[in-house]
Amino acid sequence: EADIYQTPRYLVIGTGKKITLECSQTMGHDKMYWYQQDPGMELHLIHYSYGVNSTEKGDLSSESTVSRIRTEHFPLTLESARPSHTSQYLCATSVEGEETQYFGPGTRLLVL
Amino acid sequence: QQPVQSPQAVILREGEDAVINCSSSKALYSVHWYRQKHGEAPVFLMILLKGGEQKGHDKISASFNEKKQQSSLYLTASQLSYSGTYFCGTESPNDYKLSFGAGTTVTVRA
Repeated sequence: EADIYQTPRYLVIGTGKKITLECSQTMGHDKMYWYQQDPGMELHLIHYSYGVNSTEKGDLSSESTVSRIRTEHFPLTLESARPSHTSQYLCATSVEGEETQYFGPGTRLLVL
Repeated sequence: QQPVQSPQAVILREGEDAVINCSSSKALYSVHWYRQKHGEAPVFLMILLKGGEQKGHDKISASFNEKKQQSSLYLTASQLSYSGTYFCGTESPNDYKLSFGAGTTVTVRA
């Protein structure tokens, strides 16, 4: 069954720690996205990728970085977590040539 | 650059109707509608491509006015399951990604 997986689902971590949020998909989609969403608020695009070795920054400035070494994997890394990074992070995918996006379950991050 | 949604929130009783609007300052190629229930990820509802088409999904339908650069989502005879936050995502020509509105929270009460 084609799906989008995000791990961890919940993460509580101290300031200054390095963290990597994982996103994997079995959809076979070329395009992948990372969004940041505060509770009850809008979705902000922070990174996206059109395929392997392609990464772009989104509309919202972010201190995170991403990589796309494999089609199915699009991890997001925070080198030094801060309380301002507390949010929900959603990964999404879409097919090349289409913009309909399919979202993963999200990772809720709390930085103390 | 992000589309503007209105209203911000609406409260309905079962069976009532509602309209959610999405307006953009940019020319649009397509409009996507998503619904997000509390604590869950957004789920795709429908896409409207330029051409002024109207689509339906159960008793939820939408229209797209390309010239006015706006789309409306119609909730007809609302059900409890319609509760959630509705987001429109707009795609402009040569943009190849979506910009999402701030969302409209819909609460349907028995």
